[in-house]
Amino acid sequence: KNQVEQSPQSLIILEGKNCTLQCNYTVSPFSNLRWYKQDTGRGPVSLTIMTFSENTKSNGRYTATLDADTKQSSLHITASQLSDSASYICVVSSLSGGYNKLIFGAGTRLAVHP
Amino acid sequence: GAGVSQSPSNKVTEKGKDVELRCDPISGHTALYWYRQSLGQGLEFLIYFQGNSAPDKSGLPSDRFSAERTGGSVSTLTIQRTQQEDSAVYLCASSLQSLTNTEAFFGQGTRLTVV
Repeated sequence: KNQVEQSPQSLIILEGKNCTLQCNYTVSPFSNLRWYKQDTGRGPVSLTIMTFSENTKSNGRYTATLDADTKQSSLHITASQLSDSASYICVVSSLSGGYNKLIFGAGTRLAVHP
Repeated sequence: GAGVSQSPSNKVTEKGKDVELRCDPISGHTALYWYRQSLGQGLEFLIYFQGNSAPDKSGLPSDRFSAERTGGSVSTLTIQRTQQEDSAVYLCASSLQSLTNTEAFFGQGTRLTVV
């Protein structure tokens, strides 16, 4: 069964600290993996996309990694800011019937405290 | 509009009543997803439409929930005989979902409160 599991479910850190969010998947065949950020009261928005051949990709203070062998991805946030408080959702795309079907993780809720 | 539009943005209903939630996806997007998010919880998959294929209804929590997508565009999620545990934010997302473009775009959601 195609599944995406994220950990931790929730996380509290102090402003300025770093953190790493995990995403494990059992999706096959694998097309790509995206991390989304969902601010409170808003819909999720794409942060970064990882394809099979990419190991690391950075977007400002966000760095995503992908290990296609172990089927794991991480999202590292450096020097956290209060505005990083949000839910972070891992979404894996799988080729099915000629289309890429999206399988969503439940998300990690991050709270950054001053 | 340019984005995914959901209506109403807020809905308060009495227990036992039926409700309809609407999603207007981005024009041309073949894939449409419904999710719900209870307070402080993660996304819970409900249903997935892809083109003219039979929808994936595996996430619908009970037979009180149903959804349809007319003409491959607008989708309606219907909840019959609402219960208090149905209270949540219902999110709709659409995607072009070609072999190379897989980004999902979300609506603002409908906040359903069953009293």
